[in-house]
Amino acid sequence: EAQVTQNPRYLITVTGKKLTVTCSQNMNHEYMSWYRQDPGLGLRQIYYSMNVEVTDKGDVPEGYKVSRKEKRNFPLILESPSPNQTSLYFCASSLSRLGGYTFGSGTRLTVV
Amino acid sequence: QKEVEQDPGPLSVPEGAIVSLNCTYSNSAFQYFMWYRQYSRKGPELLMYTYSSGNKEDGRFTAQVDKSSKYISLFIRDSQPSDSATYLCAILTGGGNKLTFGTGTQLKVEL
Repeated sequence: EAQVTQNPRYLITVTGKKLTVTCSQNMNHEYMSWYRQDPGLGLRQIYYSMNVEVTDKGDVPEGYKVSRKEKRNFPLILESPSPNQTSLYFCASSLSRLGGYTFGSGTRLTVV
Repeated sequence: QKEVEQDPGPLSVPEGAIVSLNCTYSNSAFQYFMWYRQYSRKGPELLMYTYSSGNKEDGRFTAQVDKSSKYISLFIRDSQPSDSATYLCAILTGGGNKLTFGTGTQLKVEL
């Protein structure tokens, strides 16, 4: 089944403890993105990647890092999480720049 | 001014009604428009993808783009309880490198 898989689905962590949210797609898609979804603010792009080793900032990149060492994987790294990063996170992928995006099921992160 | 604006609702309609969901956008250069459906505790799912102006139909769903008014709409005919979800309009922006979303309209279709 064609899909974007995120792990974990739920995560509670403490301020300052580094964490990684994994994202993997099995559709051979070039483009991948991370979004966060917050009430009243909607979905906002954190980072995106156009191909292996090519990444760039989205609208809200502060406090996040990404890497794209393989085409299928696009992990999101929070080096020192803070409570304002408590949110619902989605990874998405697309075959091309102008294609529709397929989203993962989301990771609900709580930072206390 | 936000790039994309959407009425958050909630919107409640009886089963079988025609539903109209709308968004406005700010930049007349935008050309690629999408509608996503998001069920509770799930990721957004692509429903419709349109380029430039005009209508696109897929089953009970019709997407409409009016570039002169910078207005996009999604119509759902013969609405069903299974259509109850949040509907998000999205536009390809940033040179095609990102989706800019409306905040979503929560729809409930009641029996």
